[in-house]
Amino acid sequence: SAVISQKPSRDICQRGTSLTIQCQVDSQVTMMFWYRQQPGQSLTLIATANQGSEATYESGFVIDKFPISRPNLTFSTLTVSNMSPEDSSIYLCSVEGGILQETQYFGPGTRLLVL
Amino acid sequence: DAKTTQPPSMDCAEGRAANLPCNHSTISGNEYVYWYRQIHSQGPQYIIHGLKNNETNEMASLIITEDRKSSTLILPHATLRDTAVYYCIVRSRNTGTASKLTFGTGTRLQVTL
Repeated sequence: SAVISQKPSRDICQRGTSLTIQCQVDSQVTMMFWYRQQPGQSLTLIATANQGSEATYESGFVIDKFPISRPNLTFSTLTVSNMSPEDSSIYLCSVEGGILQETQYFGPGTRLLVL
Repeated sequence: DAKTTQPPSMDCAEGRAANLPCNHSTISGNEYVYWYRQIHSQGPQYIIHGLKNNETNEMASLIITEDRKSSTLILPHATLRDTAVYYCIVRSRNTGTASKLTFGTGTRLQVTL
């Protein structure tokens, strides 16, 4: 597997502000993904973070709300912009490829509460 | 990717085997069966995956029926720390690409004393 870290682990934010979440993995990976898990719900894929090009977003998610960066093969960021209480969720990154082959491994998640 | 059906919840006594079923009747030939679990509010943990042969690792065994329309995850000696939501996911693995994981509602396994 891989060691995947996320920062921050949790945060409480005011509505209208933005938060950037970082995901770092200890080996080079081909794919990085961002998921959202709303309270009491299952995981939903937000987007695939592509190295060197724009992220690929799933239906219902847009770049203006969730801009993503992936500057190299071990790091990605997700920004939750102009937050509202409905954005309160756990945000998770996952990685795949490289020595991990074709199995996805998940980070510990970032717990976000928007007031 | 094919849809999966799992029971919403199951109980298991500590020390006994936990057998978690999953139906995936529309699975296609190039789709694998993956199992993950999520222990309260942590990131999902990969358990095991398989195509058509039974698989075993240090965590669990995966039994896939011959027609591949269903599978069972077996935790041979469940402990309290195995209490979690278990997700069965069917996913294609085309060479050179990665298809997304589509999480359903999973099975909430409660291991009791």
